Amino acid sequence: GENVEQHPSTLSVQEGDSAVIKCTYSDSASNYFPWYKQELGKRPQLIIDIRSNVGEKKDQRIAVTLNKTAKHFSLHITETQPEDSAVYFCAASAPIRGNYGGSQGNLIFGKGTKLSVKP
Amino acid sequence: DTEVTQTPKHLVMGMTNKKSLKCEQHMGHRAMYWYKQKAKKPPELMFVYSYEKLSINESVPSRFSPECPNSSLLNLHLHALQPEDSALYLCASSHPTEQGPNEKLFFGSGTQLSVL
Repeated sequence: GENVEQHPSTLSVQEGDSAVIKCTYSDSASNYFPWYKQELGKRPQLIIDIRSNVGEKKDQRIAVTLNKTAKHFSLHITETQPEDSAVYFCAASAPIRGNYGGSQGNLIFGKGTKLSVKP
Repeated sequence: DTEVTQTPKHLVMGMTNKKSLKCEQHMGHRAMYWYKQKAKKPPELMFVYSYEKLSINESVPSRFSPECPNSSLLNLHLHALQPEDSALYLCASSHPTEQGPNEKLFFGSGTQLSVL
């Protein structure tokens, strides 16, 4: 089955600096890679995602890169702000067939990175 | 309505109690999920319902019993839980996309469960 490794487990940066979080996955069938942000006591929220047919995607200060050959993908946050402080989870999804046909994604999450942005 | 709503937000129960967690979405999503999240850990998949049928059961103990009464509702019935079952229980939903299966999950705020 899929295994997702995420590094680092904690990351502290100064406001305005960039932050990079890296993940590797094991299942070459995985084709969807989302990133979730979870603030303390709140729900995970999707911040950006990428599919395996794309190498890079950007949304304002957030970007994700994917290297299918090496099976790794990364989250890049530029010009960090204190409100970026949270736990970030990467995930990988390989479609699987359910009991009643059709297929749905099976998200496997990394262990999370606690990002602290110091003012 | 673009939210997944979970009730209750907090639940304390004894090991002999029976309780239910509820989840509701009105986005027309046809896949709904239960995840369990322990403190400082990632969410772990428990069950997936696809078109109101149980599609995936990740070897969850029978003291957890899911139910999907209709396309908008998802319940998780709890009975004879253990203290180690204390966790945040997250509901999520998703919808098929042009690119393929249901993957983009929308999470509810969760029910923080404590088993005494």
